[in-house]
Formats: sequence, C-alpha cells, structure tokens
Amino acid sequence: QSVLTQPPSASGTPGQRVTISCSGSTLDIGSNYVYWYQHLPGTAPKLLIYRNNQRPSGVPDRFSGSKSDTSASLAISGLRSEDEADYYCASWDDGLSGPVVFGGGTKLTVL
Amino acid sequence: QVHLVQSGTEVKKPGASVKISCKTSGYSFTDYYIHWVRQAPGQGLEWMAWINPSSGGTNTARKFQGRVTLTRDTSISAAYMDLSRLTSDDTAIYYCTRDLGDDYPQAWFDSWGQGTLVTVSS
Repeated sequence: QSVLTQPPSASGTPGQRVTISCSGSTLDIGSNYVYWYQHLPGTAPKLLIYRNNQRPSGVPDRFSGSKSDTSASLAISGLRSEDEADYYCASWDDGLSGPVVFGGGTKLTVL
Repeated sequence: QVHLVQSGTEVKKPGASVKISCKTSGYSFTDYYIHWVRQAPGQGLEWMAWINPSSGGTNTARKFQGRVTLTRDTSISAAYMDLSRLTSDDTAIYYCTRDLGDDYPQAWFDSWGQGTLVTVSS
C-alpha cells in the first residue's frame, strides 16, 4: 500500500480537462515538494511537474500542478489521445516510509 | 545531453544476486544523486535507494535494507545496484534516475535510464 494515495483510474474525452489527486500527510506532502511523472508502458517515466507546480522545458502548458496542505493535484487540459498513460505523484517522506515515496499511480484513459 | 544507460536483461534463480549498472554521460556525475526505482509487473513505481556519487553515501528503503548495495565508479561516471537473495517478488524493471535536487535529494527525477528487466525464476 502506497504512502501517497491516488485514484487508480481516471478518464476523459479529447479536449476535456481532467484532474488527478494525490493525498498524503504532514510528513510527506505537507512538508515537502511534490513531483509528477508520466509513465507509458515500455518506456522510462517522464518528469511532468517539479516542486509542486513547475514545468520542465518541453512539457506542454496543458499540464499543471498544485498543492494545498497535505494534498496535491495534476491537471491536464485539452486532453489528447497521447496523454493516455499512468501518472504518479512523488514526494519526500520525513517519517519511516521513505525517504522517497510514490503514489500508487493513476491510469488515465482517453475515451 | 544527459544520458543514463543501464545494463541488459537478467534472468536469475531464487537466492541469487544481480548487479545492474547505470552509465551516465552529459553532466558532472558527482553533482547529482542517483536513485534506483523499480516496477514489478502490474504494480506501480517503488523507490528503493539513492547514492551520493560524490561521497558514496547511500540511503535505502527499509524494505530493502540488508539486500541492496549501492556503489559507484567516478572514473567512468557509473552507478551500480546489487540486489541479493532474490525471490520471485523481485521480478521487475529496475530504473536508475538522476535527482536534480540541489545539495540534497528531493525526488526530482529529470533523467532516467531505459530500465533493466530482472526475471527471477527457478
């Protein structure tokens, strides 16, 4: 069972906006940065968001991140078929679970 | 351009050990932590350990303590992970990844190796 809680699945139609949540505690998200990764089968994970809401160069501005207290969210606007992938949040854990913890992952389906 | 290139597929018997290499290029190897993350079939990403390539210091998830050994060779900018006492539960794709965190590791994984499939089977 993952320290960070994500919904196992999410879906949307092309052009829609979807949001994926990531819930933690004061030991992880509540006191550390959150990172988001996109993972396509057979490939290495890709960094989408760093330090809660920053986008690396090359990541479309359709992807955005936010954090509030012990929760974080990844929003994808203007959904495209190529966005269909697994999405993971990650953070530092100041307790005994880490120090690095991932969410369980959310499978995004573009209908 | 930053590259992390891992060693190839491994097939091991239960009880054996496996050593995976991660050869880096395109940046100063000793400036950034290297982490190891794995994904078992049908499972999510799981953090295993990190190494500070400059000092050689390491930190391992409690689950893997006593079975994971991280080393590095700064002369060739490579990191290594040795996983011992393998069981079928260790069948997974193993990734090395660079942490872009300044001064301390942060889970800021900007570059990844291609992954190494390790299959444990009798």
